[in-house]
Amino acid sequence: EAGVAQSPRYKIIEKRQSVAFWCNPISGHATLYWYQQILGQGPKLLIQFQNNGVVDDSQLPKDRFSAERLKGVDSTLKIQPAKLEDSAVYLCASSWSRDPNYGYTFGSGTRLTVV
Amino acid sequence: GQNIDQPTEMTATEGAIVQINCTYQTSGFNGLFWYQQHAGEAPTFLSYNVLDGLEEKGRFSSFLSRSKGYSYLLLKELQMKDSASYLCAEEAGNMLTFGGGTRLMVKP
Repeated sequence: EAGVAQSPRYKIIEKRQSVAFWCNPISGHATLYWYQQILGQGPKLLIQFQNNGVVDDSQLPKDRFSAERLKGVDSTLKIQPAKLEDSAVYLCASSWSRDPNYGYTFGSGTRLTVV
Repeated sequence: GQNIDQPTEMTATEGAIVQINCTYQTSGFNGLFWYQQHAGEAPTFLSYNVLDGLEEKGRFSSFLSRSKGYSYLLLKELQMKDSASYLCAEEAGNMLTFGGGTRLMVKP
């Protein structure tokens, strides 16, 4: 079974530029999550989708971050304009149900550096 | 939001046993996950506890006390490759909230 795919793997941009990340979850997984992980910290949930609807985006900085999952499959996360403090790894995860033997599966992440 | 606490760093010796503790808020609690994360890599699933008690999986065991809002991850026969961050995560509803992670360093 293919895992959660993310691209790009790395991205370096200047502050005030825009950037987009892509995620393709495991086939059949209805729930998709975007997390931000700053170096040395645990992942912080940015947004959660159930199919193509937003379940929770309370921690998404909506003045600069946006995300969509139009067809309920893959998803994009955008930052516009980027700030220095946005430097982090952006992790995408997906889940099918609360299967205790499966958990939430994470992609390899996109490491963003804002200079 | 959920407040999840775990030690920032721990050091242990190869072949030894180490216990990583985690406390969380109990409101809306469904279950408790432990993930392992090597530097520069994605978190990988280790365990999921719903009921009180100890669950063993080879060298790794995880314990949960729902009434106390407490869990621990026990690593036995430590190996150098166990050097990583260990993330405690609470599931409430269908949402996963992580602690800051415990960076474990295994020394020869």
